[in-house]
Amino acid sequence: GQQLNQSPQSMFIQEGEDVSMNCTSSSIFNTWLWYKQDPGEGPVLLIALYKAGELTSNGRLTAQFGITRKDSFLNISASIPSDVGIYFCAGCEFYNQGGKLIFGQGTELSVKP
Amino acid sequence: GAVVSQHPSRVICKSGTSVKIECRSLDFQATTMFWYRQFPKQSLMLMATSNEGSKATYEQGVEKDKFLINHASLTLSTLTVTSAHPEDSSFYICSARDFRRTGVNTEAFFGQGTRLTVV
Repeated sequence: GQQLNQSPQSMFIQEGEDVSMNCTSSSIFNTWLWYKQDPGEGPVLLIALYKAGELTSNGRLTAQFGITRKDSFLNISASIPSDVGIYFCAGCEFYNQGGKLIFGQGTELSVKP
Repeated sequence: GAVVSQHPSRVICKSGTSVKIECRSLDFQATTMFWYRQFPKQSLMLMATSNEGSKATYEQGVEKDKFLINHASLTLSTLTVTSAHPEDSSFYICSARDFRRTGVNTEAFFGQGTRLTVV
């Protein structure tokens, strides 16, 4: 079946540093989504990408949908302590036809003040 | 974003009993709800997809008689873990979408999750 490889698995950074994480897929997706999950909570949508090549920002977050439609990255600039959490990418082949989201393994981010 | 409410947030039950988890879309109508299971430090694994008024579609390896899903209205879906055992202990999360909004990319919104502990 479809698989997503998300890297890195974990990151330990200093407050103020920039962060980058990415996901690659063995197959094509037509939608990429990035979520953040705090402990004991459900995921919260950060950015949604719907077109190959699309670059979208949400505050200090920027994400891009790869041209090949098999990858996406998320950048966080000037990290702050509240950025701590687990970030998941999710891809979908037929998003607007009820397609299932396939999740990456997650990137656990720790920010040292 | 839209609000999806999941209840209860935590439940502890005895082995052999059944537990019902509710997922409600509070400010929109959810044509489709998804149920996920998440083990500690792991990703979300889709268990089943339920469309309002029809039977749920289960992912391979998920026992439909064990995890009963009902989606009787456009705002409520329930997951019942029947005859729960300690290995069913996990974090269960629902998400909801409205697929009738054609032409618009509508996101899936997630509930807060339910931590099930079977003792």
